[in-house]
Amino acid sequence: GEDVEQSLFLSVREGDSSVINCTYTDSSSTYLYWYKQEPGAGLQLLTYIFSNMDMKQDQRLTVLLNKKDKHLSLRIADTQTGDSAIYFCAEDNQGGKLIFGQGTELSVKP
Amino acid sequence: DTEVTQTPKHLVMGMTNKKSLKCEQHMGHRAMYWYKQKAKKPPELMFVYSYEKLSINESVPSRFSPECPNSSLLNLHLHALQPEDSALYLCASSQSGTDTQYFGPGTRLTVL
Repeated sequence: GEDVEQSLFLSVREGDSSVINCTYTDSSSTYLYWYKQEPGAGLQLLTYIFSNMDMKQDQRLTVLLNKKDKHLSLRIADTQTGDSAIYFCAEDNQGGKLIFGQGTELSVKP
Repeated sequence: DTEVTQTPKHLVMGMTNKKSLKCEQHMGHRAMYWYKQKAKKPPELMFVYSYEKLSINESVPSRFSPECPNSSLLNLHLHALQPEDSALYLCASSQSGTDTQYFGPGTRLTVL
């Protein structure tokens, strides 16, 4: 069945790089997404990657996709306290549904 | 503009009340979604409207009743809710039913 897994917590120091990992099971997904959720807020689309790409870079964000291992990662360079949030990985299941991971809570310490 | 708006921001209601949540988008999207989210958990899909027709109902209890008056508006009518229905209710929209979804800020619902 469809399943997306993420580690629940990550703690880094301000200025370091953060790497959030995600594994998924549905190899037919067209797009894979990263959403950010700050406390009390909705989900903000951070970035997405098409399944035939290996890497996508957008300012401080780098997404890497390993289709063979069904592994997706989000790297945040020069992590700031404003990056503290929950990050959700999601895949589309071709049926109009997003399958979300459990979310990784990123804590950035000054 | 990728903005989805939701009102109200917060709602407190008793178990016998009837209330409605509203969602609006002006991006020309033809699919709209309702999700329920508990604290620090991923959103759970409730309903999908595609071209103003209900296309997915994830076996949601009948005390939640969605309505799509036109392609820009989505309502969620609430009646006889239970305390366990307290959650953040998120609306999202996408160009079509299989495209990137953009989320609103949510309505924080508390059922007493």
